[in-house]
Amino acid sequence: SQQGEEDPQALSIQEGENATMNCSYKTSINNLQWYRQNSGRGLVHLILIRSNEREKHSGRLRVTLDTSKKSSSLLITASRAADTASYFCATGPPGGGNKLTFGTGTQLKVEL
Amino acid sequence: NAGVTQTPKFQVLKTGQSMTLQCAQDMNHEYMSWYRQDPGMGLRLIHYSVGAGITDQGEVPNGYNVSRSTTEDFPLRLLSAAPSQTSVYFCASSSSGTGGDEQYFGPGTRLTVT
Repeated sequence: SQQGEEDPQALSIQEGENATMNCSYKTSINNLQWYRQNSGRGLVHLILIRSNEREKHSGRLRVTLDTSKKSSSLLITASRAADTASYFCATGPPGGGNKLTFGTGTQLKVEL
Repeated sequence: NAGVTQTPKFQVLKTGQSMTLQCAQDMNHEYMSWYRQDPGMGLRLIHYSVGAGITDQGEVPNGYNVSRSTTEDFPLRLLSAAPSQTSVYFCASSSSGTGGDEQYFGPGTRLTVT
């Protein structure tokens, strides 16, 4: 069963705008990760946030985690056409380990 | 480093045929796993391994076998292919089996079973 549900399923924005994607999950976690998948390619790791962290930044990416609401958000600032991809959240089990459970993804399209 | 490699890239099988999807990594990672990706379903874990000689089932293991005789290789065997196994298969590896780390994915194998 899917642990994570992403919202929205699809998002279309103009280049230069910010894109926000949300992820909700059902059970306790050790960490939450975000991945990007370009069409027809493998997944690429973007950022990992642990359950005792609330916010993390990496370049134009900002991730927040609210364990009380079992939710996370990914913000991409000043988006570019090259950011067009599917974005997935994945949660790690509470005891640690690498058995990730993935959400269904958000398809982001950034238009020129 | 080549990272995680998968072969073949594409494969068409008839129902009942068997085949092995190959996965190799050159990063000396202990943890390796196989996922399948179906439209609208995200990725689902099939089998995983925390080190050579150790494998375990994931969320959707039925119809698949794995073995891990070396740190580098983690092949996935389809014993008797079924149309429900039509999917894109991804292999992934990670440096630790316990800590919760980023995973490195291969480019995928697109499998069609007719």
